[in-house]
Amino acid sequence: SQQGEEDPQALSIQEGENATMNCSYKTSINNLQWYRQNSGRGLVHLILIRSNEREKHSGRLRVTLDTSKKSSSLLITASRAADTASYFCATTKAAGNKLTFGGGTRVLVKP
Amino acid sequence: DTAVSQTPKYLVTQMGNDKSIKCEQNLGHDTMYWYKQDSKKFLKIMFSYNNKELIINETVPNRFSPKSPDKAHLNLHINSLELGDSAVYFCASSPQAGDLNEQFFGPGTRLTVL
Repeated sequence: SQQGEEDPQALSIQEGENATMNCSYKTSINNLQWYRQNSGRGLVHLILIRSNEREKHSGRLRVTLDTSKKSSSLLITASRAADTASYFCATTKAAGNKLTFGGGTRVLVKP
Repeated sequence: DTAVSQTPKYLVTQMGNDKSIKCEQNLGHDTMYWYKQDSKKFLKIMFSYNNKELIINETVPNRFSPKSPDKAHLNLHINSLELGDSAVYFCASSPQAGDLNEQFFGPGTRLTVL
């Protein structure tokens, strides 16, 4: 099974609305990253949150991490059509360890 | 000014053939990776090299052989292609091998085995 599993698998919202997606994982982690993938393109790094951090912001993005629940959330505020993409969480279990990706959340922002 | 580039972008071939995918990064990074993304979008690491040395080798059939001639290049050679090898293969790089580094991905190579 995937170390990181995103929920929901798909999300459809209107432009201007907020989009929230969650990532759950099974084992202790060192840090968690979120990536975006536009259709037919490679992944783009969005934000990294360490296991001792609870919240992080970057522009319209807000990421939270709850290690007691082994979950993270990504919030995109005031969404735009250009935010239409798949969003993946990825975890590392120890320093220098590999990234393990979840299955992604497909977000559609309708203009 | 492409950061991580892969060639070819599309590869269609017959079962049993041998093919290679090339990857180059001009970011000066020490570490490079190969990932496989299946039809359900699950992305799984295959290999990682740090300064031309193999540091991650997942459970991948030995038909897959990575080669790193220098730290800016990581090529993937696949022997005796099978239907199940059809996927999108992504190359990535990061400044170092540590987990605090973000990874920079190439545009992907869509491999179709007929």
